Amino acid sequence: DIVLTQSPGTLSLFPGAAATLSCRASQSINNGFLAWYQQKPGQAPRLLIYGASNRATGIPDRFSGSGSGTDFTLTISSLESEDFGLYYCQQYGRSPWTFGQGTKVDTK
Amino acid sequence: EAQLVESGGGLVKPGGSLRLACAASGFSFGTYSMNWVRQAPGKGLEWISSVAGGTSYIYYADSVKGRFTISRDNSKNFLYLQMNSLRVDDTAVYYCARAYDFWSGQVYFDHWGQGAVVTVSS
Repeated sequence: DIVLTQSPGTLSLFPGAAATLSCRASQSINNGFLAWYQQKPGQAPRLLIYGASNRATGIPDRFSGSGSGTDFTLTISSLESEDFGLYYCQQYGRSPWTFGQGTKVDTK
Repeated sequence: EAQLVESGGGLVKPGGSLRLACAASGFSFGTYSMNWVRQAPGKGLEWISSVAGGTSYIYYADSVKGRFTISRDNSKNFLYLQMNSLRVDDTAVYYCARAYDFWSGQVYFDHWGQGAVVTVSS
């Protein structure tokens, strides 16, 4: 199985700051098949990015994804209050489809 | 707008059974791969099962293989998860999720239900 390791575990930032979240895979992910999700307390995850760098419908352009192979990054250019929460990466290059353990972005 | 609504969660004793249902609306249900993803309390997300649109292809995570059965009724737009031999570590919120395009390998989850809480405890 492909193991995804996200870092850091927690990111404490002020609103307006930039956030950089990392997702590292134990094996190369085929075709850049890597997605990012946001989850807020008591809510279901929401798709942000698919194919490593494509924003899902309705996702603001302050969210961007990059990377290939085993190293991927989610960047939030300027944090807004609604961006604080948990972020997960998911690989779908090979079954079983696996998620990282998550990065919490909270307010400083 | 696609909508997914889970039902059937609850409290069950270890070794017991439970069936979850997911009602889908707002999209052509039969053409999409449907999936169950769970989240244990305070933990991350775990994909557990998928069924392709035509029901020919079914996949399970090793953690539930042989105990859980996924199925779908395309005439009623429902997805199901039959959970048998439940264990304490199956306690989680169970999400129904639609995959974007199973046949091209793009199994990312573009729509999610609100989740059903399953608690396994004596």
